Amino acid sequence: QKEVEQDPGPLSVPEGAIVSLNCTYSNSAFQYFMWYRQYSRKGPELLMYTYSSGNKEDGRFTAQVDKSSKYISLFIRDSQPSDSATYLCAMSGNTGANSKLTFGKGITLSVRP
Amino acid sequence: EAQVTQNPRYLITVTGKKLTVTCSQNMNHEYMSWYRQDPGLGLRQIYYSMNVEVTDKGDVPEGYKVSRKEKRNFPLILESPSPNQTSLYFCASSLLPGQGNEQFFGPGTRLTVL
Repeated sequence: QKEVEQDPGPLSVPEGAIVSLNCTYSNSAFQYFMWYRQYSRKGPELLMYTYSSGNKEDGRFTAQVDKSSKYISLFIRDSQPSDSATYLCAMSGNTGANSKLTFGKGITLSVRP
Repeated sequence: EAQVTQNPRYLITVTGKKLTVTCSQNMNHEYMSWYRQDPGLGLRQIYYSMNVEVTDKGDVPEGYKVSRKEKRNFPLILESPSPNQTSLYFCASSLLPGQGNEQFFGPGTRLTVL
């Protein structure tokens, strides 16, 4: 089982839809959870960061972490064409080999006007 | 402006011709890393560096070399490129490895090896 699994997509939704992106993981040492967004022909950029379990909201974006289920989600409300990008989950632990950031494979989202 | 720069952005070369992709960051970061990104495989770490003169293998180091002689620079060297190294390459840096430290990525280098 891979350390981080992410739905491969692609995903296409109409403008205004609520989008749910998910990742599961197997390493219980992971404490730091991130979502990166990558536009076409660009490098990934940090979108959301959550430490341990719980929710974090930033505008139309909400990140959720459920450590008991080893499951993280990113919700996008009122999706816009400008949200069209590849979204990568990433996570790491505190020490040693676990401190390396481990990425999911990414899912490409397309928001249709 | 805080940034990671990579050069060249695009490169087409032939099998066996040595090449270097440069990477530089202006944020005084300790940790630097090289990734390759391939369809269906995601981002895979090639090499990383914890500090000057400290480098280590990532998940896919075969066929690559790196050096870290200065804190800001972390070049990626392909001594004898092969077609299976055709990929999109990203350099990244962060203050420290993992632990929630944001990784800043360069714009990418698209390499084609014929």
